[in-house]
Amino acid sequence: ETGVTQTPRHLVMGMTNKKSLKCEQHLGHNAMYWYKQSAKKPLELMFVYNFKEQTENNSVPSRFSPECPNSSHLFLHLHTLQPEDSALYLCASSQVGQGDEKLFFGSGTQLSVL
Amino acid sequence: GNSVTQMEGPVTLSEEAFLTINCTYTATGYPSLFWYVQYPGEGLQLLLKATKADDKGSNKGFEATYRKETTSFHLEKGSVQVSDSAVYFCALSDQGGGGSEKLVFGKGTKLTVNP
Repeated sequence: ETGVTQTPRHLVMGMTNKKSLKCEQHLGHNAMYWYKQSAKKPLELMFVYNFKEQTENNSVPSRFSPECPNSSHLFLHLHTLQPEDSALYLCASSQVGQGDEKLFFGSGTQLSVL
Repeated sequence: GNSVTQMEGPVTLSEEAFLTINCTYTATGYPSLFWYVQYPGEGLQLLLKATKADDKGSNKGFEATYRKETTSFHLEKGSVQVSDSAVYFCALSDQGGGGSEKLVFGKGTKLTVNP
């Protein structure tokens, strides 16, 4: 149990499908993040939520839609994706405001878009 | 903007060899610096960090020193083990005190240690 759980671990979808990625953190943190990890590229921060409010959207296409219903759960809704969106999607959480923040990551969802 | 450059992998070593993974950064202000490690099939974990110049972060035999004059944060280990095989990411945060919201990561360096 890493403290941050992501489901599903693997997902294959067509370009016309709609699917959702789920993340749950059991650490009592107040901030949650979505990152995209592509081969041979740096990790890309997609979205940040502090206290359930979105505080960062790094120019992510609208085919990615985040949802944070409470401080423990984070979703990433996917629709009409492109093959170049195939990547490992990592969720992370942290406790912001206590001076020693660090990110705790889930194991990721490996997404393949056909 | 802020950026991190780390050496291209993959790196392959024999057990007990000395490891260095180079990392340099570009940043305004005084960032905190981090090394994260990703073992196969897992998410990233914080390995060590340093929050100001000349600080040395250390953990599990790994060390890195924050060098402001050379804008570097190279990762070293004196004697690697097979269990150290993983992908290593250098990262910086431009928030004072090690805030995590604005972490910028390098591309990662894959390390394989052979018995």
